[in-house]
Amino acid sequence: DAKTTQPNSMESNEEEPVHLPCNHSTISGTDYIHWYRQLPSQGPEYVIHGLTSNVNNRMASLAIAEDRKSSTLILHRATLRDAAVYYCIPLGGSQGNLIFGKGTKLSVKP
Amino acid sequence: DAGVIQSPRHEVTEMGQEVTLRCKPISGHDYLFWYRQTMMRGLELLIYFNNNVPIDDSGMPEDRFSAKMPNASFSTLKIQPSEPRDSAVYFCASSPKGTGGLNTEAFFGQGTRLTVV
Repeated sequence: DAKTTQPNSMESNEEEPVHLPCNHSTISGTDYIHWYRQLPSQGPEYVIHGLTSNVNNRMASLAIAEDRKSSTLILHRATLRDAAVYYCIPLGGSQGNLIFGKGTKLSVKP
Repeated sequence: DAGVIQSPRHEVTEMGQEVTLRCKPISGHDYLFWYRQTMMRGLELLIYFNNNVPIDDSGMPEDRFSAKMPNASFSTLKIQPSEPRDSAVYFCASSPKGTGGLNTEAFFGQGTRLTVV
């Protein structure tokens, strides 16, 4: 499994963009990069995933470096509800399982 | 669909007692996962099933833990006998076709908070 490095914590102001980085230098060529988040007292929830191209959905954008050794989850306008732990998870196409690291705890200030 | 349903939401039991946690996955999902979360160890994958068959149970901490999936709509995680160090939040998740590659997101239940005293 590819190792990941994420900041332990980050702070943001409400309604400002947030860029959450993840280093995954040992990622293999077929690994997708998945992001999940866990709101307080809830189970994790899927945010977004991608392979090489940048991806957008209603929750966030995912920017993947050209060499795929890092990626950035972008929340375009942080809300108080976005305060959560964010996990970056490289995952191969043939794997069935999600392995969570420590993630980044995002705090959002009003 | 109501999502992944876990029961009970909270369980308090005495050391040595048997504990059974239950999970109903989302209908039509082929994969089911059991996780445990503690402050010290974070989220740990215990076991996962594909089409009701256990695929990888290497995360099950010891023989006191067992998991079954008798049919596509129900799974149990049993701890017998329970110990205080088993206190944690246990999550069940399901996924349509596995979580790798194109497919996939995993949907998590609300969790069962287990306290063993």
